[in-house]
Amino acid sequence: DSGVTQTPKHLITATGQRVTLRCSPRSGDLSVYWYQQSLDQGLQFLIQYYNGEERAKGNILERFSAQQFPDLHSELNLSSLELGDSALYFCASSGKNTDTQYFGPGTRLTVL
Amino acid sequence: GENVEQHPSTLSVQEGDSAVIKCTYSDSASNYFPWYKQELGKRPQLIIDIRSNVGEKKDQRIAVTLNKTAKHFSLHITETQPEDSAVYFCAASKSGGGSNYKLTFGKGTLLTVNP
Repeated sequence: DSGVTQTPKHLITATGQRVTLRCSPRSGDLSVYWYQQSLDQGLQFLIQYYNGEERAKGNILERFSAQQFPDLHSELNLSSLELGDSALYFCASSGKNTDTQYFGPGTRLTVL
Repeated sequence: GENVEQHPSTLSVQEGDSAVIKCTYSDSASNYFPWYKQELGKRPQLIIDIRSNVGEKKDQRIAVTLNKTAKHFSLHITETQPEDSAVYFCAASKSGGGSNYKLTFGKGTLLTVNP
């Protein structure tokens, strides 16, 4: 157990819908990273938050957004869902000024 | 941006043999190189990492080597066991300032250890 938690574990929804994925970092960690894992694209970095502020953006679609709250948990919002958005979504956390990232168990999103 | 190539994509070995997975990276400023093991449907688990000021690091049956000049690093697993069967990912990151250490991953290697 890495100490990073994610909910829900599974999410099944329809095209055009909107969903919210939640991540709680390890106690004391300030950074939260979101990654998407699909068969064709592998593990891809989406976005990073550090202590409530956006720090880096990767290949994140405009239909996706995220935020980090004062208690440091983070939410990834996916809207206007398409079939191709079906994937595993992982968050990872790291401590202040450290590069070691620990991954949560992931949320499996299925868009029908 | 950074690009990480990983080879081979699949690797099958007999129990007790060694396994080697190789990765190359493109950005010479990258300075942190972790390896993750991922079992089917599970989270990537950090198994070992190396930083650019070190050439080799070992942890029991697992070792990682880094060649900064050639921009490649390798994972070595000795005395493989069936429970080593999983997908292994290499990754690279660099300090982007402001605590930004986003990881760029290789495509993964499916390791199968046959009893």
